[in-house]
Amino acid sequence: DAGVIQSPRHEVTEMGQEVTLRCKPISGHDYLFWYRQTMMQGLELLVYFNNKAVMDDSGMPKDRFSAKMPNASFSTLKIQPSEPRDSAVYFCASRRPGQGANTFGSGTRLTVV
Amino acid sequence: GENVEQHPSTLSVQEGDSAVIKCTYSDSASNYFPWYKQELGKGPQLIIDIRSNVGEKKDQRIAVTLNKTAKHFSLHITETQPEDSAVYFCAASNQAGTALIFGKGTTLSVSS
Repeated sequence: DAGVIQSPRHEVTEMGQEVTLRCKPISGHDYLFWYRQTMMQGLELLVYFNNKAVMDDSGMPKDRFSAKMPNASFSTLKIQPSEPRDSAVYFCASRRPGQGANTFGSGTRLTVV
Repeated sequence: GENVEQHPSTLSVQEGDSAVIKCTYSDSASNYFPWYKQELGKGPQLIIDIRSNVGEKKDQRIAVTLNKTAKHFSLHITETQPEDSAVYFCAASNQAGTALIFGKGTTLSVSS
C-alpha cells in the first residue's frame, strides 16, 4: 500500500498564477478530503468527496479555488489566481468505507510570492 | 457545524513526565474522536481513537478518555520520551459520512 500520494511536494509560484495540486487516494477508499494547514488556523477542511461527488465545499473560497475528482483514483485542487495568503501546506486524505479515520498524504507546501 | 477547541497550544515536559492534552467539541452528534501526531515535514498520523460508546482506551503509553456529557476528551501520554515531541491534533466527527474537524494542535516538547 503506497499510501495517499500528493504532488508536487513543494510549489513556489508568483501571485496571480494558476496552481494545481494533485492527489491519489488509497485504492478502495471512497472518501477524499482536502485540508489546508497554517500556523494561525491549524488544519482547515476545504472540501471533501464521497464516491467522487462533492459532499461539502463550504470551507473552500469558491471565487478562486476549485476541486475535482474525475475518477476514484485522482483529485485536483486548483487555485486561480493565487494570492500570498494562499501560502500554506495542503493535505489530501482518504478514508475507507465505514471507517472514521483519515489517512493523510505528505502534503504540498505552497508558497505564493 | 462542529467546532473543536484544543488546549494547551504548547506543552513542555521533562522526559519521563506525563503529558495531558484536552479538547472540547460542540456537536452532540459527534461520536468518533481520533488523535493524530504530526512530525516535522510529514502528514498527521493516527495514534489512537475512541468512539462514543467507550469512556477510555489505552495503547501502551497512550490513553484517551471521553466525557460525552461534558463534551470533552483528553490524550494522556505517560513516561514521555524525546521522540514524543511533535504536534498533536484532536478531531471529532459524526462517523456517518462527515469529515473530521480538527483542533488547532498542541506542540509537545519533551526534553531529556
